[in-house]
Amino acid sequence: NAGVTQTPKFQVLKTGQSMTLQCAQDMNHEYMSWYRQDPGMGLRLIHYSVGAGITDQGEVPNGYNVSRSTTEDFPLRLLSAAPSQTSVYFCASSPGLAGNTGELFFGEGSRLTVL
Amino acid sequence: SQQGEEDPQALSIQEGENATMNCSYKTSINNLQWYRQNSGRGLVHLILIRSNEREKHSGRLRVTLDTSKKSSSLLITASRAADTASYFCATDAWRDSSYKLIFGSGTRLLVRP
Repeated sequence: NAGVTQTPKFQVLKTGQSMTLQCAQDMNHEYMSWYRQDPGMGLRLIHYSVGAGITDQGEVPNGYNVSRSTTEDFPLRLLSAAPSQTSVYFCASSPGLAGNTGELFFGEGSRLTVL
Repeated sequence: SQQGEEDPQALSIQEGENATMNCSYKTSINNLQWYRQNSGRGLVHLILIRSNEREKHSGRLRVTLDTSKKSSSLLITASRAADTASYFCATDAWRDSSYKLIFGSGTRLLVRP
């Protein structure tokens, strides 16, 4: 099993450009989420999904869109990139609702730089 | 704002010593988890402790939870250079009518050979 796969690993954007960070998991997990990690800030929850067709906002959702058309995929879209979105992005999944059923499985991260 | 806050922010110890990291949180929880992150990698789950548990062990890891003080500690015994990493606590919480897992800012552990 590949687990949680994120692409791309590295990306440089110009301000105003849009892009999609891809996340796929092959563990048939219901719960998927996106976090961003900034120095000294830990991880902050952007959006999450408890199943196909269901998404909800986390702590810092502004500037990001998500959709969940399949159980396996949970892409994160940056609509108009800003320098403040320079960060490392992590996708994570869980068999059920995080916290209730146990651990999150993380991808290796996508490092995004917005110039 | 973050639910969990780790203390200390950074810790440097000699190989073989014990390492203790603390986590404080603000609101009531169902459970608390600890994760480890090696430099440049994703987070890896270490241990989960439920709100009705006071102590849990896994190998060289010992986690305690004091819900009256809203705090948890992670003890790594007989540390090794390979334990060098950042350690995060994560708490579940109901926020804005939805259920979320919120991470603290982490403790950076350096184990010197």
